[in-house]
Amino acid sequence: EVQLVESGGGLVQPGGSLRLSCAASGFTSSRYWMHWVRQAPGKGLVWVSRIISDGVTTDYADSVKGRFTISRDNAKNTLYLQMNRLRSEDTAVYYCARENIVASPGAFDIWGQGTIVTVSS
Amino acid sequence: DIQMTQSPSSLSASVGDRVTITCQASQDISKYLNWYQQKPGKAPKLLIYGASNLETGVPSRFSGGGSGTDFSFTISSLQPEDTATYYCQQCDNLYTFGQGTKLEIK
Repeated sequence: EVQLVESGGGLVQPGGSLRLSCAASGFTSSRYWMHWVRQAPGKGLVWVSRIISDGVTTDYADSVKGRFTISRDNAKNTLYLQMNRLRSEDTAVYYCARENIVASPGAFDIWGQGTIVTVSS
Repeated sequence: DIQMTQSPSSLSASVGDRVTITCQASQDISKYLNWYQQKPGKAPKLLIYGASNLETGVPSRFSGGGSGTDFSFTISSLQPEDTATYYCQQCDNLYTFGQGTKLEIK
């Protein structure tokens, strides 16, 4: 079964750090572009970051640029999001998602179940 | 940055109704537009990609259209299980989601 499973969420104080993981199974994640998308409580979806299949090229939303770092470990078939200098406005459910650039470029066809990040003192 | 404006923000319709949601981009995005369905407490699900292409396994009552700056998403005959929030997303220049349309059944 093709799936993504996030982990690593939790409660962290403002200014703190957290690393999220997204384990892929049923497919080789290195062949796909991978993303993080977040959703604040009661709000809409916001794209956060992507890493393309070369494992080097990355992009970020302006709101997280310089604080968050996306990376991948192809040997472990796992995606990461290192989040530093966290703010209360980073509180959200964080989803990882797959972009199949061959079949449906630009669309996120597989999503994880999400992991909750709460930034609060 | 490309902004996406969805309307309406919410709507209520009856089973069997035809429902249409619109999405407007702040600049020309060709057909780089996708639609997702999100049910409460669940991850989003891809329904339509490339403005009008139905994702595998998605019922044919869902459809999408448009190009440039104006797009539409239609459910031809509303079913009870279609209660959800629907989002458009542009992928022409990075990615931006619309604010969502909450669809309820009367």
